[in-house]
Amino acid sequence: DAGVTQSPTHLIKTRGQHVTLRCSPISGHKSVSWYQQVLGQGPQFIFQYYEKEERGRGNFPDRFSARQFPNYSSELNVNALLLGDSALYLCASSTAGPNTGANVLTFGAGSRLTVL
Amino acid sequence: QKEVEQNSGPLSVPEGAIASLNCTYSDRGSQSFFWYRQYSGKSPELIMFIYSNGDKEDGRFTAQLNKASQYVSLLIRDSQPSDSATYLCAVNPRGGFKTIFGAGTRLFVKA
Repeated sequence: DAGVTQSPTHLIKTRGQHVTLRCSPISGHKSVSWYQQVLGQGPQFIFQYYEKEERGRGNFPDRFSARQFPNYSSELNVNALLLGDSALYLCASSTAGPNTGANVLTFGAGSRLTVL
Repeated sequence: QKEVEQNSGPLSVPEGAIASLNCTYSDRGSQSFFWYRQYSGKSPELIMFIYSNGDKEDGRFTAQLNKASQYVSLLIRDSQPSDSATYLCAVNPRGGFKTIFGAGTRLFVKA
């Protein structure tokens, strides 16, 4: 079985540009979460989607948005890129939902974004 | 106050020793608690989770939870050089889907 797949793996953008990151969850997983990880820090929660609805949002500006498609894949969009957006963006899928118990996350390999 | 706090380390232990990693959390109503391991340049992977007070053992790993003290720990017995990694504590706060991570503790196991 394929794990969580993310694309692209690496990308370089300049300040002010827009970026779209993509994620395909494990088959059967209906929940996708997005995290930002800066070097030396733990993953910071950005969004969680379950059954195509936003179920959680972290403390990130409105420049960050996401959506989940009918096949449960997801996109993270970041507008007006800043130097500080340079980070590893992690997607994680899970079976999380009402009454599903502990939200065990399986992470993809990540998309490393560099903003120049 | 951070939602999940960990000592950033590094924690250095000799091969064969017990490594003890600690974590505190702020939301007293938190439901589930996780330990993830992250090797340099890789993404986090689950070691184990716990949601009841007490100990939970899985091989060389033991997670300990004390909800009254809002404290979670991970013990690694017979530490191996391959255990050298960053260990992330994570928590599901009450009523929510999100999982909040600590900054991680770097562990070095010396051969």
